Amino acid sequence: AQTVTQSQPEMSVQEAETVTLSCTYDTSENNYYLFWYKQPPSRQMILVIRQEAYKQQNATENRFSVNFQKAAKSFSLKISDSQLGDTAMYFCAFMANNAGNMLTFGGGTRLMVKP
Amino acid sequence: DTGVSQDPRHKITKRGQNVTFRCDPISEHNRLYWYRQTLGQGPEFLTYFQNEAQLEKSRLLSDRFSAERPKGSFSTLEIQRTEQGDSAMYLCASSFSQVNTEAFFGQGTRLTVV
Repeated sequence: AQTVTQSQPEMSVQEAETVTLSCTYDTSENNYYLFWYKQPPSRQMILVIRQEAYKQQNATENRFSVNFQKAAKSFSLKISDSQLGDTAMYFCAFMANNAGNMLTFGGGTRLMVKP
Repeated sequence: DTGVSQDPRHKITKRGQNVTFRCDPISEHNRLYWYRQTLGQGPEFLTYFQNEAQLEKSRLLSDRFSAERPKGSFSTLEIQRTEQGDSAMYLCASSFSQVNTEAFFGQGTRLTVV
């Protein structure tokens, strides 16, 4: 079984600054994928960024990037130039390659971007 | 197609009553997932379908819970004899079956058992 841990229940950042959200996971799988999902208040969850475990290069999507440390089982999300619209719950999620695309989520980090 | 839709958005029910939720996935997606999210927690997997076949069920899915996807399109999740501990957000998601394909989530059904 997999576990995903997000150790920061809440974080805040000033608009235009950079923030990093932490995530660690535990698994015995070799082939897997990691995701960050964003859940704005009262809105559906949307995918922010994904990382294939076999890729050493860290994924980047515009202002969002990850720091994937496979040996340490760490997968942090960096948000650059934070915007008010980034205010949301952020969930780290794990998917094993052979798990039918089922996701195991962490407990989430509530991010507040302050003007 | 505007995405995954769930109905109702909110449901308040008395303990012991039965409730049924509906999920309409993105039409081309053959996989459909149900998750449960309690307040302040991440979603927890309940079950998933590929087309009309239910392929996996979590141990969280007690025998009071049943899910169906009769024609491989929409799905229903029924909870019988609801308990206060069933109060949660029930999320539906859909995807293609290829590995690592993105799952698209609905806005969820918030259940309150009083």
